[in-house]
Amino acid sequence: DAKTTQPTSMDCAEGRAANLPCNHSTISGNEYVYWYRQIHSQGPQYIIHGLKNNETNEMASLIITEDRKSSTLILPHATLRDTAVYYCIVRVYSGGANNLFFGTGTRLTVIP
Amino acid sequence: EPEVTQTPSHQVTQMGQEVILRCVPISNHLYFYWYRQILGQKVEFLVSFYNNEISEKSEIFDDQFSVERPDGSNFTLKIRSTKLEDSAMYFCASGSGEGRKLFFGSGTQLSVL
Repeated sequence: DAKTTQPTSMDCAEGRAANLPCNHSTISGNEYVYWYRQIHSQGPQYIIHGLKNNETNEMASLIITEDRKSSTLILPHATLRDTAVYYCIVRVYSGGANNLFFGTGTRLTVIP
Repeated sequence: EPEVTQTPSHQVTQMGQEVILRCVPISNHLYFYWYRQILGQKVEFLVSFYNNEISEKSEIFDDQFSVERPDGSNFTLKIRSTKLEDSAMYFCASGSGEGRKLFFGSGTQLSVL
């Protein structure tokens, strides 16, 4: 699996957009980009995933650069409950089990 | 929304004892996983399970560990002879046939004394 690089920590003001970057310069053509988050010591929570195109769901948007070497997770209006560790994971998915390998992630702190 | 349920939420055991951690995955899911997180460290993959057999396991998942789906609803992780270094939060996860999205439980905090 391609390695990912994320900033260790970021702050964001409540109500503003939180933009979390991820570098995955060695990503291969069949690797997906997944984002999960972990609030305090709870189980990780799925946010969004994509292959090539930008994706949006009720939680966030995922912007993947055209060369796929980096991506940005956008939380459009951050709330205090979005304070968490955010993990960017790159993984081939060809059907079957989808074992994900977590890095150290970005600790996002939303400030009132 | 359906969720993965783990019991107990906390387990304290003596070194050398056997423990069984229990999970009830989401009912129509086919893929099951165990992860663990030692305090302050990364979430680590242990094992994935499909069609009543292990599909992949990490180096952590040695002979002291085993998994089982004893009936149609439960998925268990057994540690045969616990060591101090097994102290961690253990997360169960499940995924549907589509597989891409994993749903995690809230974890079992295992403390080995």
